[in-house]
Amino acid sequence: KNEVEQSPQNLTAQEEEFITINCSYSVGISALHWLQQHPGGGIVSLFMLSSGKKKHGRLIATINIQEKHSSLHITASHPRDSAVYICAVEGNTGNQFYFGTGTSLTVIP
Amino acid sequence: EAEVAQSPRYKITEKSQAVAFWCDPISGHATLYWYRQILGQGPELLVQFQDESVVDDSQLPKDRFSAERLKGVDSTLKIQPAELGDSAMYLCASSLDRTYSPLHFGNGTRLTVT
Repeated sequence: KNEVEQSPQNLTAQEEEFITINCSYSVGISALHWLQQHPGGGIVSLFMLSSGKKKHGRLIATINIQEKHSSLHITASHPRDSAVYICAVEGNTGNQFYFGTGTSLTVIP
Repeated sequence: EAEVAQSPRYKITEKSQAVAFWCDPISGHATLYWYRQILGQGPELLVQFQDESVVDDSQLPKDRFSAERLKGVDSTLKIQPAELGDSAMYLCASSLDRTYSPLHFGNGTRLTVT
């Protein structure tokens, strides 16, 4: 069973394209996290949100609690955005996290 | 900014050997997680600590894996004996002891078992 589902699994985009990565979850949550993992690198937290929308630079994350769905948008994508983007949710019963399998993004110049 | 420290960064070992990984979480973070990540997949929880106590080790292969966090600070994950299928990235993460806390990851230990 997968508590968190992401789509697409793989995504190739041209530079400057607007990108959307989707995340659906099936458990009750206290927060949703979007994480970025570069090849061979550690994981960096991009966003943590429990409602509405957050924006950081060219990245925007939204969440719809009723629909149990979140999206990560990248505007004006750049090759340096190439990474794996992972959606993780924090369950509402004690610091437990559930992870999606990640979306591998490649942005071509 | 404070970081989660992990060592070693890379480890190559032969099957049937013992291997150990170390993690030092961010100071003050009571919750510590060990995850295993196979290439192309999301992290899989191995064990979760709250201070020095194990909260969840249901996915830890206890016949060969062990984890401890004796003083509730740094933690060690051990595999003995290592098997070929253990080759993966082992990630340590920590968070404050409350919900809606950011999760901070270390850079991981890349294990290759030959």
